[in-house]
Amino acid sequence: EPEVTQTPSHQVTQMGQEVILRCVPISNHLYFYWYRQILGQKVEFLVSFYNNEISEKSEIFDDQFSVERPDGSNFTLKIRSTKLEDSAMYFCASTLERPQHFGDGTRLSIL
Amino acid sequence: AQSVTQPDIHITVSEGASLELRCNYSYGATPYLFWYVQSPGQGLQLLLKYFSGDTLVQGIKGFEAEFKRSQSSFNLRKPSVHWSDAAEYFCAVGSLGGTASKLTFGTGTRLQVTL
Repeated sequence: EPEVTQTPSHQVTQMGQEVILRCVPISNHLYFYWYRQILGQKVEFLVSFYNNEISEKSEIFDDQFSVERPDGSNFTLKIRSTKLEDSAMYFCASTLERPQHFGDGTRLSIL
Repeated sequence: AQSVTQPDIHITVSEGASLELRCNYSYGATPYLFWYVQSPGQGLQLLLKYFSGDTLVQGIKGFEAEFKRSQSSFNLRKPSVHWSDAAEYFCAVGSLGGTASKLTFGTGTRLQVTL
């Protein structure tokens, strides 16, 4: 069964540095998402993406965040200048219609 | 705004016992409802979904859930729990407002299974 794949599985970054989290959605899917889960808390929506533009974003998704689909297969989340509170598990999801299929996540640790 | 409440943070059941995990949602219209399971260090795996029609839905791994509009609930059940079911379970609601609509998750219920 096709899967959403995320790399790396764990990313350690110094505060203030830029980080790019990568996702390869399921190949025929058209809608893409990023969610995050701070340790011990619930999964929170960040952004949805369709037809090469953002469909919806949450209040968490401020100017430090950006998303891109640079080619036909990858979907990336960039955090321009990381903060300690960005430490979390970041999940990518994709769908053709419903439901959303999730990757295994990237654990981002900010030092 | 849509929201999900999972009142039980942690549940412990014996292997072979039945299980019910509670989920209540708040949404202005008929929602799309989902249950996901997360094993330690893993991603979110879809257990089952409700869009419309029959209010009792069957999922993978022997799980089922019942949509009760009058109670705004979508409780997850399993008649006989296996040790491998120990994980965190998340209820989620999605809106009808387009396929790109976000999911709103509950805080999760951690299931522990004793042998």
